[in-house]
Amino acid sequence: GAGVSQTPSNKVTEKGKYVELRCDPISGHTALYWYRQSLGQGPEFLIYFQGTGAADDSGLPNDRFFAVRPEGSVSTLKIQRTERGDSAVYLCASSPQLAGGTDTQYFGPGTRLTVL
Amino acid sequence: DAKTTQPNSMESNEEEPVHLPCNHSTISGTDYIHWYRQLPSQGPEYVIHGLTSNVNNRMASLAIAEDRKSSTLILHRATLRDAAVYYCILCNFGNEKLTFGTGTRLTIIP
Repeated sequence: GAGVSQTPSNKVTEKGKYVELRCDPISGHTALYWYRQSLGQGPEFLIYFQGTGAADDSGLPNDRFFAVRPEGSVSTLKIQRTERGDSAVYLCASSPQLAGGTDTQYFGPGTRLTVL
Repeated sequence: DAKTTQPNSMESNEEEPVHLPCNHSTISGTDYIHWYRQLPSQGPEYVIHGLTSNVNNRMASLAIAEDRKSSTLILHRATLRDAAVYYCILCNFGNEKLTFGTGTRLTIIP
């Protein structure tokens, strides 16, 4: 079946602009995650949705970052007033929400964001 | 969160077995050991996970020490497609997010 998809695959923007990154999870997966990966580093957790609600947003770096999942499926990560330090690959993952500790996350290919 | 320690890099010859170590000395009794890998320019991919007993699947085997303070991911016959960064991650109930370290970059030599 179809995996997690993310659009766009690449996004180049100018400092100060607003961007939206989209994630389409695997159908039926209740949990959705956003991560950010800087060059040479492992992915860093941003936010986790269980259904429509954000169950854990402790990884969002500041209030310029916001994410929504209004219908419990597609999610959008929104970044206001982008800064050069926001340049990274933004990864989305979904999971079927199995018993704690045993769940598997399925990752999309990521969106590479470049802020000039 | 309990942390894991992995070598930064390893090399292996093609068609040879590969043993990727991971230390997790502060693991709790309810932490599962998960392995993910990330091929170049792709998102991470689940490989295998276990709690106490050794595990096998089509991709790899996971050997867990009796005291659970370390584990080893075993690729039985490495191919060039196995060249990736391998992450060892501890997952516990109620802590759904994955905490990635820097992983082990595996290079396969033809």
